[in-house]
Amino acid sequence: SAVISQKPSRDICQRGTSLTIQCQVDSQVTMMFWYRQQPGQSLTLIATANQGSEATYESGFVIDKFPISRPNLTFSTLTVSNMSPEDSSIYLCSVEYRNEQYFGPGTRLTVT
Amino acid sequence: DAKTTQPPSMDCAEGRAANLPCNHSTISGNEYVYWYRQIHSQGPQYIIHGLKNNETNEMASLIITEDRKSSTLILPHATLRDTAVYYCIVRVGHTGKLIFGQGTTLQVKP
Repeated sequence: SAVISQKPSRDICQRGTSLTIQCQVDSQVTMMFWYRQQPGQSLTLIATANQGSEATYESGFVIDKFPISRPNLTFSTLTVSNMSPEDSSIYLCSVEYRNEQYFGPGTRLTVT
Repeated sequence: DAKTTQPPSMDCAEGRAANLPCNHSTISGNEYVYWYRQIHSQGPQYIIHGLKNNETNEMASLIITEDRKSSTLILPHATLRDTAVYYCIVRVGHTGKLIFGQGTTLQVKP
């Protein structure tokens, strides 16, 4: 299996600021994904981040708001920019490893 | 990716089998059925997947109808720790993004 860690585990931020979330996996993986889970809701895919290429964003998500970096096969970051209270969610990193998808523990973000 | 339909909630008595249904009537021939679950405040956990044959692993069994338009996840002896949201997802092949629906909240009761 692949073990994923995320930093920070939670944060409280003021509106208008930005937060960068880190995702580290213990194995080299090609595909990484970022999801958002708003309170009481299911998971929504934000983007797919493959090493060596630009991230692919889902409908409703744009690079200016959620820039993603993927510098190597074990690491990725997601930045939530110019935050508003509507960005309060759990943000989860996920990787594809040996035909299974593994999820990190999530980052709980509260924007005040 | 095909959409799935699941009941929003189900109850199950501890020690009994939990049977969670999923409809995927528009599934394509090259789409797999995957099941994940999310225990409160944790990331989703892979359970099982299949294409057209029934599958079993240490966690659960997956029964797919012959026409592949529906499936059932079976937890043979549910415990309180199986209380979670269960997601049925269909996707092409073994790789690529997962699109989550609303899932079924399973409550296992003593």
